Amino acid sequence: GAVVSQHPSWVICKSGTSVKIECRSLDFQATTMFWYRQFPKQSLMLMATSNEGSKATYEQGVEKDKFLINHASLTLSTLTVTSAHPEDSSFYICSARPLGGSEQYFGPGTRLTVT
Amino acid sequence: TQLLEQSPQFLSIQEGENLTVYCNSSSVFSSLQWYRQEPGEGPVLLVTVVTGGEVKKLKRLTFQFGDARKDSSLHITAAQPGDTGLYLCAVGFQKLVFGTGTRLLVSP
Repeated sequence: GAVVSQHPSWVICKSGTSVKIECRSLDFQATTMFWYRQFPKQSLMLMATSNEGSKATYEQGVEKDKFLINHASLTLSTLTVTSAHPEDSSFYICSARPLGGSEQYFGPGTRLTVT
Repeated sequence: TQLLEQSPQFLSIQEGENLTVYCNSSSVFSSLQWYRQEPGEGPVLLVTVVTGGEVKKLKRLTFQFGDARKDSSLHITAAQPGDTGLYLCAVGFQKLVFGTGTRLLVSP
């Protein structure tokens, strides 16, 4: 149980285009999902907290107009990287917390390469 | 300044050796978690420690929470190639803050 999936697992896009990444909790419902970014050989950095039915909360320094988050249902959150640039190339990881639970379950990540 | 500093940053050892990874902070935490992340995957929770001085064992892995709940250590006995990965400590409930990470490579 407590499986989180991400799609796509990897994506290559051209500079200036937008990319959407999906995060799904497969066997549980989650009112809260989190989006992290991880650069090569570095740790995870929280980008934003995604709340079902309300606006996401972004961490300091994360541009909300560039990283659009939509938490459409209790099992799906999406992250859209708008007008992507090469410096946005990174490993994006989501996590989800089950209703009433304390543990976060992580997705397998999405590797984004912007050329 | 990082909230959680891990050391060493990178460790390359031979199969069968023992090792210890440290997670240090100047802040006090109510709990601390350890994760392992393999290349191209998300982190997987190994353990949560909540009591100062607490020791938890997971097969060959021993986790300890400092008495003052400011630091923690992870000791691996007789490391195996399957232990290779990025080890991360983390704190927080609603929002997790991860440590700087320790990359472990265990060679056969």
